[in-house]
Amino acid sequence: EDKVVQSPLSLVVHEGDTVTLNCSYEVTNFRSLLWYKQEKKAPTFLFMLTSSGIEKKSGRLSSILDKKELFSILNITATQTGDSAVYLCAVYYSGGSNYKLTFGKGTLLTVNP
Amino acid sequence: DTEVTQTPKHLVMGMTNKKSLKCEQHMGHRAMYWYKQKAKKPPELMFVYSYEKLSINESVPSRFSPECPNSSLLNLHLHALQPEDSALYLCASSQDRAGTYNEQFFGPGTRLTVL
Repeated sequence: EDKVVQSPLSLVVHEGDTVTLNCSYEVTNFRSLLWYKQEKKAPTFLFMLTSSGIEKKSGRLSSILDKKELFSILNITATQTGDSAVYLCAVYYSGGSNYKLTFGKGTLLTVNP
Repeated sequence: DTEVTQTPKHLVMGMTNKKSLKCEQHMGHRAMYWYKQKAKKPPELMFVYSYEKLSINESVPSRFSPECPNSSLLNLHLHALQPEDSALYLCASSQDRAGTYNEQFFGPGTRLTVL
């Protein structure tokens, strides 16, 4: 059973479009939610969210968390071809004495010129 | 230094070979992780070391053997692998395992091919 579900699984847009990527989760003892961008190699960190309703922003990217409804969104405005990548959502939570980071399947974003 | 390095970048090995993957960070992080990532799939956690002690082993076969010689280094020893073990192996580190601030920094990965 998937604990972290991302949607859509893939998305094709044109440069300049705005996109919204979704991540919903179902875990106990939630600690934080992280967004990563993965191009051809390792994931690179974008945001970490721990509190509801506080928007994190970095340039054209922004993200917000809703801990009541158990989801997060990642917005990208004025998309560029360099934004083409897989965007991964991961949830950090504790289960018993262990802490786990579980990834969603990712959203493949393709930005066409 | 805010980088996690991994060597080698690529590795091709036969099923009878013994090889090791290496990971290094100098950010003072006390938690280090090994992930396995197959094509078009998200990373899957294999092992977690916290303060140089193995704290999580996600039911990984014994042909994968992790080692943490010190707080900056993490190795993954490989022996008698199968072709289905071919994947991108990612190392990551974070300040600690249980703290609130637990952003994981990933290395570039080792692309492993088992023939």
